[in-house]
Amino acid sequence: QKEVEQNSGPLSVPEGAIASLNCTYSDRGSQSFFWYRQYSGKSPELIMSIYSNGDKEDGRFTAQLNKASQYVSLLIRDSQPSDSATYLCAGTGTASKLTFGTGTRLQVTL
Amino acid sequence: ETGVTQSPTHLIKTRGQQVTLRCSSQSGHNTVSWYQQALGQGPQFIFQYYREEENGRGNFPPRFSGLQFPNYSSELNVNALELDDSALYLCASSFEAQPQHFGDGTRLSIL
Repeated sequence: QKEVEQNSGPLSVPEGAIASLNCTYSDRGSQSFFWYRQYSGKSPELIMSIYSNGDKEDGRFTAQLNKASQYVSLLIRDSQPSDSATYLCAGTGTASKLTFGTGTRLQVTL
Repeated sequence: ETGVTQSPTHLIKTRGQQVTLRCSSQSGHNTVSWYQQALGQGPQFIFQYYREEENGRGNFPPRFSGLQFPNYSSELNVNALELDDSALYLCASSFEAQPQHFGDGTRLSIL
């Protein structure tokens, strides 16, 4: 069983819609969670971090964490074509090593 | 604020050779982590250095080794290169356990 699981997609949403990206994890010791955006051929870029249960909003992005269900999600409101990328979910335990999922490819269509 | 920089950008090697990849951490960061990202996969943790000491290692063989220098820059060395070592090698830096920020990566191709 992979430690962090994501649907590889592609997830296709029309411009202006809400994109919902999901992630589950198996290590109950994981404390912190991160969403990285990775454009094709580029390196991952941190877009959200979340440490406690509930929602965290930053502009058009909302991260949600439910430690009881071992579930993390990212909502992107008013999706733009520039949001088309692979979104990587990652968690850390006490050792600060990031454990990544395989990523979900998002396509925002015109 | 200077971000994480990695060199070289691209590298082509043959099986059995050795390679050294370099990383300069972001200003103010004292922790450097290295990841390997194969095509279509998420990054896999290789190891982390904190204040010049190895601070955790992933499931990689001993031919993957590293260093961190007093200025917190770091090197990743890979000996006896294999075809499966072809990947994007990412360096990430952070201050203590704060979120990690990645450099642009080194794309290594093994022929």
